[in-house]
Amino acid sequence: AQKITQTQPGMFVQEKEAVTLDCTYDTSDPSYGLFWYKQPSSGEMIFLIYQGSYDQQNATEGRYSLNFQKARKSANLVISASQLGDSAMYFCAMREDHRPNNAGNMLTFGGGTRLMVKP
Amino acid sequence: NAGVTQTPKFQVLKTGQSMTLQCAQDMNHNSMYWYRQDPGMGLRLIYYSASEGTTDKGEVPNGYNVSRLNKREFSLRLESAAPSQTSVYFCASTYDGSGANVLTFGAGSRLTVL
Repeated sequence: AQKITQTQPGMFVQEKEAVTLDCTYDTSDPSYGLFWYKQPSSGEMIFLIYQGSYDQQNATEGRYSLNFQKARKSANLVISASQLGDSAMYFCAMREDHRPNNAGNMLTFGGGTRLMVKP
Repeated sequence: NAGVTQTPKFQVLKTGQSMTLQCAQDMNHNSMYWYRQDPGMGLRLIYYSASEGTTDKGEVPNGYNVSRLNKREFSLRLESAAPSQTSVYFCASTYDGSGANVLTFGAGSRLTVL
């Protein structure tokens, strides 16, 4: 079974509007972390935001916020006031804290969503 | 501050050839990882090293070997390259596996196997 599911292969958004990128996850581990990364066309992976499973409040980082709904196992990324530079692939990822072999910060990634911002 | 450095950035191999991808980090991180990225598949973990002196298989280890040479360096070897190993390879590192410790990625190595 997929541990991280991103159901939107591609999305368009108008510049200056807000957009939500969906992410659902599957784990039985009570302790986990959720991450979002951005991959522009240049190829590098850029960390955007982190949410811990025990965090009481939704994470925010500038124009990025994470809509964390634990009971629904969803961790959607919200980008406010989209900019042309936001056009990129976006990946949701999960770290499960109780893994065998001391797997440390091993991330499992979703398939990604390509966001295209229209001027 | 270089972060995570991968070499080479591009490589073309013929089927059956061998090669090693090099990765080095200068952030005093304990854990290092090799991922591959195929179109539409996201990133998949090949091997990881939770600490110096240890290595373990990830999700897709077949056809690869790794060496954690020291705390800074973690190399990935393809002994007999196959077209199915055509991919973009990312090395990543982090201090440890707790909390908000973030993976820092290298710029990627694009490998084509003919």
